[in-house]
Amino acid sequence: ETGVTQTPRHLVMGMTNKKSLKCEQHLGHNAMYWYKQSAKKPLELMFVYSLEERVENNSVPSRFSPECPNSSHLFLHLHTLQPEDSALYLCASSQDIPRGGMDEKLFFGSGTQLSVL
Amino acid sequence: GQQLNQSPQSMFIQEGEDVSMNCTSSSIFNTWLWYKQEPGEGPVLLIALYKAGELTSNGRLTAQFGITRKDSFLNISASIPSDVGIYFCAGQISNDYKLSFGAGTTVTVRA
Repeated sequence: ETGVTQTPRHLVMGMTNKKSLKCEQHLGHNAMYWYKQSAKKPLELMFVYSLEERVENNSVPSRFSPECPNSSHLFLHLHTLQPEDSALYLCASSQDIPRGGMDEKLFFGSGTQLSVL
Repeated sequence: GQQLNQSPQSMFIQEGEDVSMNCTSSSIFNTWLWYKQEPGEGPVLLIALYKAGELTSNGRLTAQFGITRKDSFLNISASIPSDVGIYFCAGQISNDYKLSFGAGTTVTVRA
């Protein structure tokens, strides 16, 4: 148990559906992240939030829409996805965003395995 | 992020064997991290390295921060079945808060 909880664990959706992924962290962290993990590929950073403010939007298509209502919760709203969006979506948190060369350890959730049909 | 080359991509090993994997980059990093991901779970941090030449152990795992600051190595000694999973390296450069990840090394242990 890492202190980062993601729901649902599995999601199957059609290309016209709208769904949301939820992430909650119980660690008192200030920074939260969405990553996309595809098989045999490095983790891709999608979005970063620091104290509910978005600090990174890594050229992600607009069919992915993040929301961070408070520092403990992070959502990823999905709309009109494509089959190539099928992947494991991982949420992570850290105490703060790393600055000045100091790292901040990432704590990952178990992910949502998304299949787009 | 920067591109990291992680090798090997996969390994099939006998229980009791030692395992080695490495990660290289064209960029200099000031932090190297090694994560393990078990089936159905997210990555979990194993070892963090902060200084060139640093050698750090966590149980049967040993990782080293390369002298050139462009590479890192992870060794697992006397592997056991619960060592199965995907091992990821990650690096951070000094003026960028983002982590760059390798593509992972999948380890399968045969009893």
